[in-house]
Amino acid sequence: KNQVEQSPQSLIILEGKNCTLQCNYTVSPFSNLRWYKQDTGRGPVSLTIMTFSENTKSNGRYTATLDADTKQSSLHITASQLSDSASYICVVRGGATNKLIFGTGTLLAVQP
Amino acid sequence: DGGITQSPKYLFRKEGQNVTLSCEQNLNHDAMYWYRQDPGQGLRLIYYSQIVNDFQKGDIAEGYSVSREKKESFPLTVTSAQKNPTAFYLCASSIFPGEGNQPQHFGDGTRLSIL
Repeated sequence: KNQVEQSPQSLIILEGKNCTLQCNYTVSPFSNLRWYKQDTGRGPVSLTIMTFSENTKSNGRYTATLDADTKQSSLHITASQLSDSASYICVVRGGATNKLIFGTGTLLAVQP
Repeated sequence: DGGITQSPKYLFRKEGQNVTLSCEQNLNHDAMYWYRQDPGQGLRLIYYSQIVNDFQKGDIAEGYSVSREKKESFPLTVTSAQKNPTAFYLCASSIFPGEGNQPQHFGDGTRLSIL
């Protein structure tokens, strides 16, 4: 079954600290993997999209990694800010119908 | 500014009532999508449209209907047949069907509740 699993479910960190969110997937065949940031009550906003051949991609303080062999991705946030408080959603495009499969998200709270 | 506008932000439905959620985009995107978001679950696809006057069912289309009469508009009707409509509804668009490695752009959602 094509699935995307994220961990942890929720995370609390202090402002200025770094953190890493995990995404494991069982989707096959694989097309690409996306990370989205969703603020409370808002729509998701794209952070990165990575294909099979890319293993690192950055967007400001956000760095995503992809290991297509182990089917794992991570999103690293550097020097966290209060505005980083949001849900981070991992999405994989793939499977027999090449559709988007959404993870349930990691809820990050950055405290002062 | 280009983007996707969803309205209303909050909507309440009475028993037996149909309600329509609006989605407008000025990104000149060909493809548009409707998703439902429930607590603790990933987004689920309701309907999608790759071109004007054409649309396909997603994974959870029962109790919903859509139309695509204009490129920029893709309204979703939640019918009385949808017995559990309380959710956060998200509209999205992408530059072309299948979008390759391009992102989907999302609106800011409509929260629907039952009265």
